[in-house]
Amino acid sequence: QQQVKQSPQSLIVQKGGISIINCAYENTAFDYFPWYQQFPGKGPALLIAIRPDVSEKKEGRFTISFNKSAKQFSLHIMDSQPGDSATYFCAASVGGATNKLIFGTGTLLAVQP
Amino acid sequence: ETGVTQTPRHLVMGMTNKKSLKCEQHLGHNAMYWYKQSAKKPLELMFVYNFKEQTENNSVPSRFSPECPNSSHLFLHLHTLQPEDSALYLCASSRELAGYNEQFFGPGTRLTVL
Repeated sequence: QQQVKQSPQSLIVQKGGISIINCAYENTAFDYFPWYQQFPGKGPALLIAIRPDVSEKKEGRFTISFNKSAKQFSLHIMDSQPGDSATYFCAASVGGATNKLIFGTGTLLAVQP
Repeated sequence: ETGVTQTPRHLVMGMTNKKSLKCEQHLGHNAMYWYKQSAKKPLELMFVYNFKEQTENNSVPSRFSPECPNSSHLFLHLHTLQPEDSALYLCASSRELAGYNEQFFGPGTRLTVL
């Protein structure tokens, strides 16, 4: 029940296309859903986060869509660029507790020029 | 230096060696964390420190021994490791443990156990 299931494991998108990564969870007590971006040789960095009081949050080309009834949330990258090529992790926690973040397994995104 | 730094960036050790990983955060945060990152697995939280005090040990084998002398520095002492301990070890910090605070990660130490 504590797991966050992430798919796909890897994704190849053409430059200018839309990248979509999905995550699903079981624990209905989760109330904080961040996405992290990790470039090779770097640690993960917070990209965007959402709480379940809204169904969508947009920051630039990055959008989180949240479906509370389906217990799913997804990351959409619009107009994908080669510089977006990285590994993306979804995560979830209760009360925003940073010591209780449950991470997904990651999605390796490659944006082809 | 800014953010969270980790040294060394790469480490190769034999199963009988003793080595230490170092993490330093320059953000004035109060909480620090060690994570293990293995391919195709979720990040595994190993240890949590809050105001220098260990608050969590997630069933980590005793061959991993953390030390937090102050809120800015965190060490992970390694001894008699196993090949399956080969992974990327990430240090992170946050202002507080709770309250939707962002975690800042270091670049990690790539550990290979022969």
